[in-house]
Amino acid sequence: EAGVTQFPSHSVIEKGQTVTLRCDPISGHDNLYWYRRVMGKEIKFLLHFVKESKQDESGMPNNRFLAERTGGTYSTLKVQPAELEDSGVYFCASSQNTDTQYFGPGTRLTVL
Amino acid sequence: GNSVTQMEGPVTLSEEAFLTINCTYTATGYPSLFWYVQYPGEGLQLLLKATKADDKGSNKGFEATYRKETTSFHLEKGSVQVSDSAVYFCARAGGTSYGKLTFGQGTILTVHP
Repeated sequence: EAGVTQFPSHSVIEKGQTVTLRCDPISGHDNLYWYRRVMGKEIKFLLHFVKESKQDESGMPNNRFLAERTGGTYSTLKVQPAELEDSGVYFCASSQNTDTQYFGPGTRLTVL
Repeated sequence: GNSVTQMEGPVTLSEEAFLTINCTYTATGYPSLFWYVQYPGEGLQLLLKATKADDKGSNKGFEATYRKETTSFHLEKGSVQVSDSAVYFCARAGGTSYGKLTFGQGTILTVHP
């Protein structure tokens, strides 16, 4: 069974540009989460989808971040326009229930 | 709010030494507790978990016991190996933060031969 996959693995962009991160959850997992780790700090929750609906988006830092999960399968996280403080590693996770989450390898975003 | 406090690193040990990484959590609700590990160049992997008080999670020689009276979930291993070098994250879910995980800041472990 394939695990959670994320694309790209690395992205380097300039301040003001737009970047879109993609996450493919484990097949059949209704729950999909986005997290990020900034500059070696703790991993922080961004938002939670149940199928295509946003269950909890309390961790989204501001309106420059837009997450979608059309059709309840893969998800995208768009940052527009990117700022320097958005640099970090963005993790996606999925779960069949909300107890154990399985993480992808992460996307390392660098904003110059 | 919910929080997890984790022993600060880095931790450096010799092979076959005993490992303890401390983790405490806020006692809101009845959270499930987890240890995740990130090996160099890889993503987060679930190491072990416990879902209720006095449960012991174990995997790959690592153990952690859910202690409600001390709100702790310390990670232990009796004899570490060089291949255990990684970043370890303690996390909680459930309680008043249903679904999402709250992580500690991570502990870097380096094991020397």
